[in-house]
Amino acid sequence: KAGVTQTPRYLIKTRGQQVTLSCSPISGHRSVSWYQQTPGQGLQFLFEYFSETQRNKGNFPGRFSGRQFSNSRSEMNVSTLELGDSALYLCASSLEGVDTGELFFGEGSRLTVL
Amino acid sequence: AQSVTQLDSHVSVSEGTPVLLRCNYSSSYSPSLFWYVQHPNKGLQLLLKYTSAATLVKGINGFEAEFKKSETSFHLTKPSAHMSDAAEYFCVVTTSSSNDYKLSFGAGTTVTVRA
Repeated sequence: KAGVTQTPRYLIKTRGQQVTLSCSPISGHRSVSWYQQTPGQGLQFLFEYFSETQRNKGNFPGRFSGRQFSNSRSEMNVSTLELGDSALYLCASSLEGVDTGELFFGEGSRLTVL
Repeated sequence: AQSVTQLDSHVSVSEGTPVLLRCNYSSSYSPSLFWYVQHPNKGLQLLLKYTSAATLVKGINGFEAEFKKSETSFHLTKPSAHMSDAAEYFCVVTTSSSNDYKLSFGAGTTVTVRA
């Protein structure tokens, strides 16, 4: 079956702009979670959506937001971009949720902020 | 508080020799523990997980890990490294309490395999 699909794979933005990233989970998975990966901070959990509800969130400012649609596809939005937002953004889908089950990751969206 | 410490940022081994990646954790609750692998420009892939069943866990590609509660460790091993094992490895801990959970990643260990 198809894996987790993230779009776009690469994008370049300038400071102050906003960006929306998309994640299509594995069919049947109700949980989608998002992560930021940078050389300095490593992998950090952003938030998880389960059946369209935000179930948990990490320690990121309100500029980072997300949502999940009825078909389980999820979007993540970052507003007022800063240079430090440059990162690989990974999403993962799960049948049971982040805390109890196996995570299937997409290949990520690499964001560069100039 | 919860944390994960991967004791080696980089490990270099010769092909055919054993690999050991060390992970220590701290947690106030009974944890679930995972090892993930990330190849360049790819997402993470689950190698194995411990969820309070057998303490010795076997995963994919010949990897295994042993949960030692007394040492708060979950070290990953493979008896014989292959060139395709060159990647970054992450130890992950999750704990659940009531209606909440906490997820923590280790900083990662980069494995280099010499021919």
